[in-house]
Amino acid sequence: NAGVTQTPKFRVLKTGQSMTLLCAQDMNHEYMYWYRQDPGMGLRLIHYSVGEGTTAKGEVPDGYNVSRLKKQNFLLGLESAAPSQTSVYFCASSYSSGLAGANEQFFGPGTRLTVL
Amino acid sequence: DAKTTQPTSMDCAEGRAANLPCNHSTISGNEYVYWYRQIHSQGPQYIIHGLKNNETNEMASLIITEDRKSSTLILPHATLRDTAVYYCIVRAVTNSGYALNFGKGTSLLVTP
Repeated sequence: NAGVTQTPKFRVLKTGQSMTLLCAQDMNHEYMYWYRQDPGMGLRLIHYSVGEGTTAKGEVPDGYNVSRLKKQNFLLGLESAAPSQTSVYFCASSYSSGLAGANEQFFGPGTRLTVL
Repeated sequence: DAKTTQPTSMDCAEGRAANLPCNHSTISGNEYVYWYRQIHSQGPQYIIHGLKNNETNEMASLIITEDRKSSTLILPHATLRDTAVYYCIVRAVTNSGYALNFGKGTSLLVTP
């Protein structure tokens, strides 16, 4: 049981390049999330998904796109990377119901992205 | 989500109990108290949650005051690996599927 995994772990991009971050979970969770964390700051939600084939915008969605074609995977895309997108990106997943509900989120190890 | 207030930082000697307070005086009746921690450079980790009764699991204990306006996370025998930022979050179960507001949390330093 790997939990939540993210690939790649590190990446350096030049301004204007594109890339896709992959998040995978093996816990059969309905909800999945993408957050970013900048130095000295808390996590901010980029996009989230409440089920296969559905996505929604979070707090800071501009410059990112997402897709959830399979329940276990949640992809985050940067179409034209900018230096302001230098950050650590965390993926998380959770159940949709239960006593703790979606508030018990399981996080991946993060992807450290630098945009030059 | 109800607002929470935590001390910015705390120290604890290794092997001693670490008691991390959280104030949530505006908590509503249907809101739970959740605790997460983030060890440096890692993703946040869920620790424990509770509504009004004290809770204990393999990681920690959660003590919630009778009026539910504050709570304390207890790490009974802190180790160096418990050095992390600890976040207290108050949220209703029905308000699920959205961003958790981690705030600034308490930076706990466990010293030898």
